[in-house]
Amino acid sequence: AQSVTQPDIHITVSEGASLELRCNYSYGATPYLFWYVQSPGQGLQLLLKYFSGDTLVQGIKGFEAEFKRSQSSFNLRKPSVHWSDAAEYFCAVGADPGRRALTFGSGTRLQVQP
Amino acid sequence: DVKVTQSSRYLVKRTGEKVFLECVQDMDHENMFWYRQDPGLGLRLIYFSYDVKMKEKGDIPEGYSVSREKKERFSLILESASTNQTSMYLCASSPQGGGNTIYFGEGSWLTVV
Repeated sequence: AQSVTQPDIHITVSEGASLELRCNYSYGATPYLFWYVQSPGQGLQLLLKYFSGDTLVQGIKGFEAEFKRSQSSFNLRKPSVHWSDAAEYFCAVGADPGRRALTFGSGTRLQVQP
Repeated sequence: DVKVTQSSRYLVKRTGEKVFLECVQDMDHENMFWYRQDPGLGLRLIYFSYDVKMKEKGDIPEGYSVSREKKERFSLILESASTNQTSMYLCASSPQGGGNTIYFGEGSWLTVV
């Protein structure tokens, strides 16, 4: 079975600082990997996804993520955080054949200090 | 743009009531999903449907049922609501096949008192 771990429940960074959110997955083969963002009281918006090919993936709002097979990781990064990036971030994996649904991590809440 | 619409954003229901949460998507997607979101637990899959009248249990189906009579509409039913079903419910859809991007609605906040 597939699973996702986001080890950081809550992260606080200063505006303008760099950001890295961690995600580790468990799956035997190459998975499909996603990062979603959720603003307070809203649904989830796709930031980026990895299916195959280049392991560094660019997304919307200046985010990027790198797939590292050896570490079973798909960490999300942004070089300079803006106050509007404060939100909850979810990593998700879709892999098991026939399972069209994604499995989500428990989320990381990002707070941005002025 | 894909639009997934959940008709009720906020609901308050009494214990034992039958509750319907409705969801409509406008992109002719084959797959539709209901997730439940709770703090610290992330999103957990309740049910999904890959075609009209077809459904499969997710990870936490107990206490829930679903209905998909038309391709664009997927309903979540709580036959007898209980306080432990107080949560945020998210509907989503995706095109056919595994690993495709899933598009979410804005969520329905359900409080059972």
